[in-house]
Amino acid sequence: EVQLVESGGGLVQPGGSMRVSCAASGFSFSSTYMSWVRQAPGKGLEWVSLIYSGGSTYYADSVRGRFTISRDNSKNTLSLEMNSLRADDTAVYYCAGGVSRYYFDYWGRGTLVTVSS
Amino acid sequence: EIVLTQSPGTLSLSPGERATLSCRASQSVTSSYLAWYQQKPGQAPRLLIYGASNRATGIPDRFSGSGSGTDFTLTISRLEPEDFAVYYCQHYGSSPRVLPFGGGTKVEV
Repeated sequence: EVQLVESGGGLVQPGGSMRVSCAASGFSFSSTYMSWVRQAPGKGLEWVSLIYSGGSTYYADSVRGRFTISRDNSKNTLSLEMNSLRADDTAVYYCAGGVSRYYFDYWGRGTLVTVSS
Repeated sequence: EIVLTQSPGTLSLSPGERATLSCRASQSVTSSYLAWYQQKPGQAPRLLIYGASNRATGIPDRFSGSGSGTDFTLTISRLEPEDFAVYYCQHYGSSPRVLPFGGGTKVEV
């Protein structure tokens, strides 16, 4: 069974940093394209970042320069390091991925990041 | 960068009726790069359609996708109670490399 389990969310002050992670199981993680997708409270889905199996990375304009995506294929883990956090980064962060880079077969249940003083 | 616009924002229908959801791209896109997702309250999204018209594993055949160029459609032939949800289209952009979503269509009773 495919499982993606996010962790690391919580409350952080504006300007602060936070790292969220995703533990993958039930599929060949090392050959899978992985992304982070977020959803602000009551809003739609927003793609945040993509990492290829080989390590190439891509970012939405809204987070480029502040967020860093990474993966550890030996531990089947995906991470997102978030710096200079702003109130508008408040959202549920979903780990998502699949065998194609064009769409997302697999989704985690998400972890809530709240940026507030 | 391509922008996806979904319409209508809300679709009010009854079980058994047909639902037609639209996704319009700001410029022509490759059909292979267009996907649809369903999201129910408190749940993660679920892939329904990829490559504009291919159903994902386990998706009932009452869901179908069509379209090309700038206009794409998700059709639910006969709404079941569990189909009332929010639906998003999504595109893969090769240059720049981005994966934007549309704003969503809520299908409500």
